[in-house]
Amino acid sequence: AQSVTQLDSQVPVFEEAPVELRCNYSSSVSVYLFWYVQYPNQGLQLLLKYLSGSTLVKGINGFEAEFNKSQTSFHLRKPSVHISDTAEYFCAVNDRGSTLGRLYFGRGTQLTVWP
Amino acid sequence: DAGVTQSPTHLIKTRGQQVTLRCSPKSGHDTVSWYQQALGQGPQFIFQYYEEEERQRGNFPDRFSGHQFPNYSSELNVNALLLGDSALYLCASSLYRGSYEQYFGPGTRLTVT
Repeated sequence: AQSVTQLDSQVPVFEEAPVELRCNYSSSVSVYLFWYVQYPNQGLQLLLKYLSGSTLVKGINGFEAEFNKSQTSFHLRKPSVHISDTAEYFCAVNDRGSTLGRLYFGRGTQLTVWP
Repeated sequence: DAGVTQSPTHLIKTRGQQVTLRCSPKSGHDTVSWYQQALGQGPQFIFQYYEEEERQRGNFPDRFSGHQFPNYSSELNVNALLLGDSALYLCASSLYRGSYEQYFGPGTRLTVT
C-alpha cells in the first residue's frame, strides 16, 4: 500500500507571494501522481497530474509541480498566489500495480492567502 | 456534458440506521469509485465498481456495500450506522482502461447522531 505525506497541514502566505506545498510518497515503484484542490463544501477538482515524460508538469490556475523520483516527492508550486487560491490541497498517488485505479491521498494542506 | 453527480447533498441519520447514497458518473465513464473523507482528513478509498462488480476494496467493514447498475451509476450502502461514519462521501468516475484519472462529484455529507 502507498503512503502519502503532506508535510505541512497549514500554509499561510500573503497575496502575490510564491508558495510551495510539499508531498512525499512511500513507494519507489512506478506511480501516477496528482494534486487536487477542494474549496469549502465542494468535491475535489484536479489541478494537475504526472503520468510520464517531463518531470515538470503544469496545471490549471498557474500551478505547477515537479516529480522527483529519487526523493519520491511531488511538490506543488505557484509563483504568485491570489486570495482565490485559498483552499485545501490534496496530493494523491495511484499505484500502477495491482491497485491501479485506487487513489491514496495525503491528509491535505490548507493554503490560506492573506491580503 | 454533465460531470459526476451525487445525491442527496446532505443526510442526517441515527445510529443503527441504514443509508443509501447515489452517484451518476461523468458521461462516457464506466468505473465508479467511492471515498470517505472524515473531517480534517484526506479521502480514504472504500471500493471501486466496474462492469457491475466490485473490483477493489479498501479497509472498510462489510457494513459498507455497493452496487453498480447497467447504466454505470452506483450506490453506496452503509448498514448499522456508527457515529464514526459521519463524513463526506465522494464518488469518482473514470475509464477502467485509463483509470488513472478520476473525476469527483460534490459529495454527500452524512451526519450520524
